[in-house]
Amino acid sequence: NAGVTQTPKFQVLKTGQSMTLQCAQDMNHNSMYWYRQDPGMGLRLIYYSASEGTTDKGEVPNGYNVSRLNKREFSLRLESAAPSQTSVYFCASRAGDYGYTFGSGTRLTVV
Amino acid sequence: AQSVTQPDIHITVSEGASLELRCNYSYGATPYLFWYVQSPGQGLQLLLKYFSGDTLVQGIKGFEAEFKRSQSSFNLRKPSVHWSDAAEYFCAVALSKAAGNKLTFGGGTRVLVKP
Repeated sequence: NAGVTQTPKFQVLKTGQSMTLQCAQDMNHNSMYWYRQDPGMGLRLIYYSASEGTTDKGEVPNGYNVSRLNKREFSLRLESAAPSQTSVYFCASRAGDYGYTFGSGTRLTVV
Repeated sequence: AQSVTQPDIHITVSEGASLELRCNYSYGATPYLFWYVQSPGQGLQLLLKYFSGDTLVQGIKGFEAEFKRSQSSFNLRKPSVHWSDAAEYFCAVALSKAAGNKLTFGGGTRVLVKP
């Protein structure tokens, strides 16, 4: 099925560990985004990529890095996880004005 | 900076009753407006969007929203809710349709449906 695929769906990390969240879309969308969702705060933009080869910081980029590997894939890396990064992470993609398509999320817990 | 406010954190409604979710935005010009729904453990699904034209927008699942420029509002409505409408609803705005354009989300409203 066409859409945005995120892996893994769940992850528990210890403080200081690193990990990469993977995101892939098969809709040939140019723009891709990483959001985090925390209770009462809606979704906040971490990083985005307007097109292949470009990335930009969003509202809450500290502690994260991203890579737009190709048009399909946009990964989010936590170099040294902290408890404050416990959250649900969503990847999204967008083409034109047809709205954003979201993945089903990665629930990350940092202990 | 643009901002989106959803004043109601929780709303409880009886099945069959009407539902209205409020959304206010702060921005100098008219942004592009969206409503998304998130079922438990799921991603976000687009209900409807407003770019221009008719200020009453129809969406999926029987939802509609009305844009009121004078009130900077984009409220979501449904005449008769079903138990399956229990979910969290997010209002979002974007400044343009340009590539890379970013969505800013409200804090969400969780809807509980009583039988």
